[in-house]
Amino acid sequence: SYELTQPPSVSVSPGQTARITCSGDALPKQYAYWYQQKPGQAPVLVIYKDSERPSGIPERFSGSSSGTTVTLTISGVQAEDEADYYCQSADSSGTLGVFGGGTKLIVL
Amino acid sequence: EVQLVQSGAEVKKPGESLKISCKGSGYSFSNYWIGWVRQMPGKGLEWMGIIYPGDSDTRYSPSFQGQVTISADKSISTAYLQWSSLQASDTAMYYCARRDMTLWYFDLWGRGTLLTVSS
Repeated sequence: SYELTQPPSVSVSPGQTARITCSGDALPKQYAYWYQQKPGQAPVLVIYKDSERPSGIPERFSGSSSGTTVTLTISGVQAEDEADYYCQSADSSGTLGVFGGGTKLIVL
Repeated sequence: EVQLVQSGAEVKKPGESLKISCKGSGYSFSNYWIGWVRQMPGKGLEWMGIIYPGDSDTRYSPSFQGQVTISADKSISTAYLQWSSLQASDTAMYYCARRDMTLWYFDLWGRGTLLTVSS
């Protein structure tokens, strides 16, 4: 079955830039979406259509795509950004969804 | 208010059956796909499957095909996830979520139903 691959963790100091990658063979054909999940809470969408930001999401969150890899970038990381981040997309036929394994963002 | 309200936490024994629910309100329930997402303790999100309440078109991730049944009753704006014989490995938080009308992201989430299966 189709898989999306993320690094298990990314560490960054406050004020620095965090980049979280997600790789998958179908990403050139299918949009990627990113969710933030904090402990005990449901996921929250932070990026859709590779690089669009939903209303209410801070501008420091951005997304980009290049070939089979998409990247979530958080500029000027704040302590409150410490969370798990998941990419999500669809398979190449567009019939099933899939999540990446998740990346824990650690703010040092 | 647009929301998905999930049924409460469950504690069950191995071998028992269970059906949990997800009720939508504040929008046209029939016209949006509803997905189910599993999160095992301390683990990541897993895409289980999705149903279109308008015609009950249902799709399952290969990992969950045959393990669970997804259904919906559009007359009461409710989707369901059911098991015929629970196992300890089914212990997890289960989220329902509404898929965007045209794209594959979930734009509305329930708060989750915590299922504990233990003898």
